[in-house]
Amino acid sequence: QQKVQQSPESLIVPEGGMASLNCTFSDRNSQYFWWYRQHSGEGPKALMSIFSNGDKKEGRFTAHLNKASLYVSLHIKDSQPSDSALYFCAVSSGGNYKPTFGKGTSLVVHP
Amino acid sequence: NSKVIQTPRYLVKGQGQKAKMRCIPEKGHPVVFWYQQNKNNEFKFLINFQNQEVLQQIDMTEKRFSAECPSNSPCSLEIQSSEAGDSALYLCASSDSANTEVFFGKGTRLTVV
Repeated sequence: QQKVQQSPESLIVPEGGMASLNCTFSDRNSQYFWWYRQHSGEGPKALMSIFSNGDKKEGRFTAHLNKASLYVSLHIKDSQPSDSALYFCAVSSGGNYKPTFGKGTSLVVHP
Repeated sequence: NSKVIQTPRYLVKGQGQKAKMRCIPEKGHPVVFWYQQNKNNEFKFLINFQNQEVLQQIDMTEKRFSAECPSNSPCSLEIQSSEAGDSALYLCASSDSANTEVFFGKGTRLTVV
């Protein structure tokens, strides 16, 4: 059964700083990796996906995937107070229809 | 903004009572998920559908929940006999196929007293 672990549990960064979130997974057949963000009182919303090894950049957000190391990360450059939220890594395999979520990282960006 | 609509937003039930929540998935999305998010923010997959058919569900769902996604009607998830441990945020989500972006609703927060 797929296990998805995230670290750190919580992270505080100053406005304008870099936030780095980590995620490891256990199933070597995993193919699809998503990062979701959940603000208080809301449902999670997808930030970005990554399906191939390497880096993928979208604006201030960069995801990194290393399937051999069973590792995916998210880096947020120039963090803003509005980035304060819970961040979840979600992993699925082909045809699985059932993303497995990590326990999340709580990010606080202080002005 | 997600167009997955969940009702009600809040639900309070006594132990042993039925608790029913509804979800209208995003238009055109054939895949619907239900997850339970506990107070520690952990997600537990409950059940998913493709069109009206159940794809996967966990034992707890099969034994204690009733769920359906009829055509042209909202999907629903009903706990047959609520327990204190069922207090959680129930998230409905939809997607247009396997492994694509999943769109979540705002959830139904169930409190069992």
